[in-house]
Amino acid sequence: DTGVSQDPRHKITKRGQNVTFRCDPISEHNRLYWYRQTLGQGPEFLTYFQNEAQLEKSRLLSDRFSAERPKGSFSTLEIQRTEQGDSAMYLCASSLGMGSSSYEQYFGPGTRLTVT
Amino acid sequence: AQTVTQSQPEMSVQEAETVTLSCTYDTSESDYYLFWYKQPPSRQMILVIRQEAYKQQNATENRFSVNFQKAAKSFSLKISDSQLGDAAMYFCAYQGGSEKLVFGKGTKLTVNP
Repeated sequence: DTGVSQDPRHKITKRGQNVTFRCDPISEHNRLYWYRQTLGQGPEFLTYFQNEAQLEKSRLLSDRFSAERPKGSFSTLEIQRTEQGDSAMYLCASSLGMGSSSYEQYFGPGTRLTVT
Repeated sequence: AQTVTQSQPEMSVQEAETVTLSCTYDTSESDYYLFWYKQPPSRQMILVIRQEAYKQQNATENRFSVNFQKAAKSFSLKISDSQLGDAAMYFCAYQGGSEKLVFGKGTKLTVNP
């Protein structure tokens, strides 16, 4: 299966610790997205990359959050000094974007973060 | 900012029957895309159907079809011949000039045997 993969699938951390999540998109996809989903809500956009360039960031992405896609392949999302409000499912998606055309975003299984 | 509203937190349907899930959205853009995504319990989100706003014809994918009313900013999903495997959270999503998807809060669909 060559779908979007995310690691780890679950992460439990103590408040104040740093965490890092990884996303591996579908290999030929040049666009990569991060979303956050809390219980009972739809996913909320955090940021997206086209190749290695981070093109858009949500205001939800505070200074404690940073995302990278160093070689235009996998991406990492780091949360520093975690807070209980960061507890959520972090979803990664990828798509093959060309110009202004919209292509389907394929989602990974998500990383569930619990901050205690 | 664009918003997506799903007014039905939960819906239920008998197996083999038809169910319609509602979605409305608000935007000032003229070109955009609308999507329905399905998220089964503990499984990843998958695309069910998409609609380009410039197309007047409603999209269909096998048992899934939409009723797209652009003037009313309404985008409902009809599931025909419901199957047990259709049970899931269904999210309506909007994509305009930005690459991001804007999701509604979802509708939990239960299929009763």
